[in-house]
Amino acid sequence: AQSVTQLGSHVSVSEGALVLLRCNYSSSVPPYLFWYVQYPNQGLQLLLKYTSAATLVKGINGFEAEFKKSETSFHLTKPSAHMSDAAEYFCAVSASRSSNTGKLIFGQGTTLQVKP
Amino acid sequence: DAGVTQSPTHLIKTRGQHVTLRCSPISGHKSVSWYQQVLGQGPQFIFQYYEKEERGRGNFPDRFSARQFPNYSSELNVNALLLGDSALYLCASSWGRATEAFFGQGTRLTVV
Repeated sequence: AQSVTQLGSHVSVSEGALVLLRCNYSSSVPPYLFWYVQYPNQGLQLLLKYTSAATLVKGINGFEAEFKKSETSFHLTKPSAHMSDAAEYFCAVSASRSSNTGKLIFGQGTTLQVKP
Repeated sequence: DAGVTQSPTHLIKTRGQHVTLRCSPISGHKSVSWYQQVLGQGPQFIFQYYEKEERGRGNFPDRFSARQFPNYSSELNVNALLLGDSALYLCASSWGRATEAFFGQGTRLTVV
């Protein structure tokens, strides 16, 4: 069975500082991994995805994530935080690549606060 | 291009009532999935439909049901509503069964 753990339900950074949001996964098969962002009262927007190509994945809005199989991690980073980055961030793993299903399993989410 | 559209955006129901939520996928997408997001938690998978057939079901009671129509739009039905059904219901569409999912804005259901 697959699962996702996001370390830290709330992260606060200053504008211009490094953003690091942590995600660890559990999967019995090579996973597809995703980061989504959710702004208040909105749906989810895909930031980036890992599908077994390059281990360093670049996404939108300057975000990137590195897949580390040995650490079962997929942490999200951004070199310099902007006020508009304040939102809820979700890490997700696909249920099973081998079963050809689109089911996503989400972590509990991390709220990113950006201070001026 | 229109994204995933959901209706209504908000609604309030009384315990014991029935509700129907609707979703129109992105043009060309054949798969629709439904998720429930309770306040403060990540979304939980309810159903996936692909080519009008159920392809996956999450751990939800039989009060929850769904269907997909020939034009690939979808309905989520919930019977005998409970207070605990209050949540944001998200619809996601994708081209195939396991390809990238695009989410709608959600329907905020409040059960009183």
